[in-house]
Amino acid sequence: DSGVTQTPKHLITATGQRVTLRCSPRSGDLSVYWYQQSLDQGLQFLIQYYNGEERAKGNILERFSAQQFPDLHSELNLSSLELGDSALYFCASSVTGGSTDTQYFGPGTRLTVL
Amino acid sequence: DQQVKQNSPSLSVQEGRISILNCDYTNSMFDYFLWYKKYPAEGPTFLISISSIKDKNEDGRFTVFLNKSAKHLSLHIVPSQPGDSAVYFCAADTQGAQKLVFGQGTRLTINP
Repeated sequence: DSGVTQTPKHLITATGQRVTLRCSPRSGDLSVYWYQQSLDQGLQFLIQYYNGEERAKGNILERFSAQQFPDLHSELNLSSLELGDSALYFCASSVTGGSTDTQYFGPGTRLTVL
Repeated sequence: DQQVKQNSPSLSVQEGRISILNCDYTNSMFDYFLWYKKYPAEGPTFLISISSIKDKNEDGRFTVFLNKSAKHLSLHIVPSQPGDSAVYFCAADTQGAQKLVFGQGTRLTINP
């Protein structure tokens, strides 16, 4: 158990809908990251937050947005869902988000778009 | 554009022997490399890392080798144990950007 929690574990929805994925970082960690793992793909970095502020952005679609709240939990919002958005979404956290800081991953949320 | 590649989707090794997992990268700006292990229904777990100023890092049964000129890194596990059966991802980072770039993973199976 990494100490990072993600809810829900599974989510099934239809195209065009909007969903919210939630992540609680390990106690004491200030930085949160979101990754997407599609079928046969490695994990793709989406976005990083540190203490409520966006710190780094990867290949995140405009239909996706995220935020980190004052209690440090984070939410990833996916809207206008398409079939290709079906994937595993992982959240990770680290202490400071700095160089060589180890990222601890949650168990993931499996999103299925029908 | 796959900047980090793991060309072997799967690898099968006898228990007690050495497992060697390989990873190639194309971006010469990468200066920090990591290996993660993933069991089914769990998130990836950090295993070992190496900075580009070193060519080898060892932690118990796990050793990572970095060949910067060939843009290649490898993970050696010796001796291999059944509990090592998992998917292994290599990842790379640039100047502490914390934007880890992952390979597609290699599924390692250790046979008794």
